[in-house]
Amino acid sequence: EVQLVESGGGLVQPGGSLRLSCAASGFTFSSYWMSWVRQAPGKGLEWVANIKQDGSEKYYVDSVKGRFTISRDNAKNSLYLQMNSLRAEDTAVYYCARDFLDVWGKGTTVTVSS
Amino acid sequence: QPVLTQPPSSSASPGESARLTCTLPSDINVGSYNIYWYQQKPGSPPRYLLYYYSDSDKGQGSGVPSRFSGSKDASANTGILLISGLQSEDEADYYCMIWPSNANVVFGGGTKLTVL
Repeated sequence: EVQLVESGGGLVQPGGSLRLSCAASGFTFSSYWMSWVRQAPGKGLEWVANIKQDGSEKYYVDSVKGRFTISRDNAKNSLYLQMNSLRAEDTAVYYCARDFLDVWGKGTTVTVSS
Repeated sequence: QPVLTQPPSSSASPGESARLTCTLPSDINVGSYNIYWYQQKPGSPPRYLLYYYSDSDKGQGSGVPSRFSGSKDASANTGILLISGLQSEDEADYYCMIWPSNANVVFGGGTKLTVL
């Protein structure tokens, strides 16, 4: 079964950091682009970042550039999102998704609040 | 970054068809892109429905009924999701997306579909 499982969310103070992880199974992880997509409470979907199969290309939405870093470990079938300098507006459910977003995890919740 | 425009809401009765639109900005030609569609129900992650480029280049998500289909209206620079034979279970939020090559993924704002 193709599966993505996110972890690492939680409550963090403004200015703090979190590292999200996404464990992939059931497909050849190293063959696919991977993305992070977030959804603020009551809001729509917002693409955050994506990374090429070998990690050589990475793209970010403007609002997270310089603060978030996407990475992957193909040997561990894992995707990561390092989030620094977190702001209240980063509060959201964070999903990892495969390629053109044909497979999604269940998400992990990040809350930025003092 | 481009913004895809979706009507915030739409409604139709069971058995009818719902036509959901996704309009691209004027400087981006809908004919040049795959339009992807997703369904999201409350408390669940989005579900991939389909993509549409042309009648000869389109794809359905795994397990997605054929009553979900895509098309384009080039004159309106718009991608379209057509849901025929509406069922109560189709009540959900629907999002369109484009992914220009080697560039950022862009979502529409979403349409909340109500099945009356």
